[in-house]
Amino acid sequence: EVVLTQSPATLSLSPGERATLSCRASQSVGNYLAWYQQKPGQAPRLLIYDASNRATDIPARFSGSGSGTDFTLTINNLEPEDFAVYYCQQRSDWPRTFGQGTKVEVK
Amino acid sequence: QVQLAQSGAEVRRPGASVKVSCKASQYTFTGYDIHWVRQATGQGLEWMGWMNPKSRNTGYAQKFQGRIFMTADTSINTAYLELSGLTSDDTAVYYCARGGLVVRENLDFWGQGTLVTVSS
Repeated sequence: EVVLTQSPATLSLSPGERATLSCRASQSVGNYLAWYQQKPGQAPRLLIYDASNRATDIPARFSGSGSGTDFTLTINNLEPEDFAVYYCQQRSDWPRTFGQGTKVEVK
Repeated sequence: QVQLAQSGAEVRRPGASVKVSCKASQYTFTGYDIHWVRQATGQGLEWMGWMNPKSRNTGYAQKFQGRIFMTADTSINTAYLELSGLTSDDTAVYYCARGGLVVRENLDFWGQGTLVTVSS
């Protein structure tokens, strides 16, 4: 199965800063990668699909890039509500797999 | 607004089975896949499988093969996940999620989660 490795495990930043999250796949997943945000006690929310497409109602400060095995989620100008855990997920191969998550916390 | 309402928390003994429901509303239930994802406390997300309520087609992650069963009752717009042979490793919050219309693995709406606790 495709293993997704996210880094860093934790990112400590202040509101207004830029967050750069990485997701590396153990084999090429093309551009079939999504990003989800999860806040404590809540279900995940789809942010980005197919590497760079924002889902419905997702603010423009969220952007995704990459292809093949290396992907990046960038959050510009962090808002207080952006502090959460972020997961990548691939849909290139079965089973669909998630990364272990990156926590973006307040510095 | 699309909603997926899941059944309440469950407690099971090791070796038992559990069946979690996911009732859909405010969209055409048969037009979208349902996926199931679980999350152990403090851990990451684990994709379990999917089913199409109209065709009844399913796809399960290999690690659950033989003890997972996904069904749907289209008359009441409800999907079900049944997991048997429970162990303590199955203690987790179980989520249902709707697959997207164009990109079927875009999990665009999620249920609130159902906590399943396996304990002797």
